[in-house]
Amino acid sequence: DVQMTQSPSSLSASVGDRVTIACRASQGISNYLAWYQQKPGKVPKLLIYAASTLQSGVPSRFSGSGSGTDFTLTISTLQPEDVATYYCQKYNSAPRTFGQGTKVEIK
Amino acid sequence: QVQLMQSGAEVKKPGASVKVSCKASGYTFTSHGISWVRQAPGQGLEWVGWISGYDGNTKYAQRLQGRVTMTTDSSTSTAFMELRSLRSDDTAVYYCARVGPFDYDSSGFAHYWGPGTLVTVSS
Repeated sequence: DVQMTQSPSSLSASVGDRVTIACRASQGISNYLAWYQQKPGKVPKLLIYAASTLQSGVPSRFSGSGSGTDFTLTISTLQPEDVATYYCQKYNSAPRTFGQGTKVEIK
Repeated sequence: QVQLMQSGAEVKKPGASVKVSCKASGYTFTSHGISWVRQAPGQGLEWVGWISGYDGNTKYAQRLQGRVTMTTDSSTSTAFMELRSLRSDDTAVYYCARVGPFDYDSSGFAHYWGPGTLVTVSS
């Protein structure tokens, strides 16, 4: 099975900083990669699918890139409301594995 | 609008079974699938499995194979997830989410999620 590895597992950044989260697949998955945001006590929210397509209604400061095995989620200008845990997921076929998550906090 | 409504919280003893339901509305049930995802307290998201609303095809996480069964009732647009031989480490919030109707599917990402069902396994 394809394993999904995120890095870092947590980060602390200042408001206005550029934040980058990496996700690596153990085998190529083309662009079948989604990113989710989960705030404490809330249901996960889809941010990006097809590696770089922004879900409708998601702020444009979020962007995704990558293909094959290496992917990146970028928050261009970190806002206080972005405090959350972010997960990548491969979805081309089962098992649709999630990364272990990256917790983003404000410094 | 698309909605997924899940059954209420459950408390079960080790060795028992639990069946969680997910009633869909606002879309054609047979044109999509349902993924089940769980989250243990303080932990990350874990994919449990998937069922097609189109043909009932299922895929399960290997570590749960043999203990989990997913079914659908298209007449009520409801998906079910049954987990047997419960253990304490099955304690989690179980989410259903709408995905594509096929295993190899470019629409396999989860846009719509249910609110989650807390399953607690405790003696």
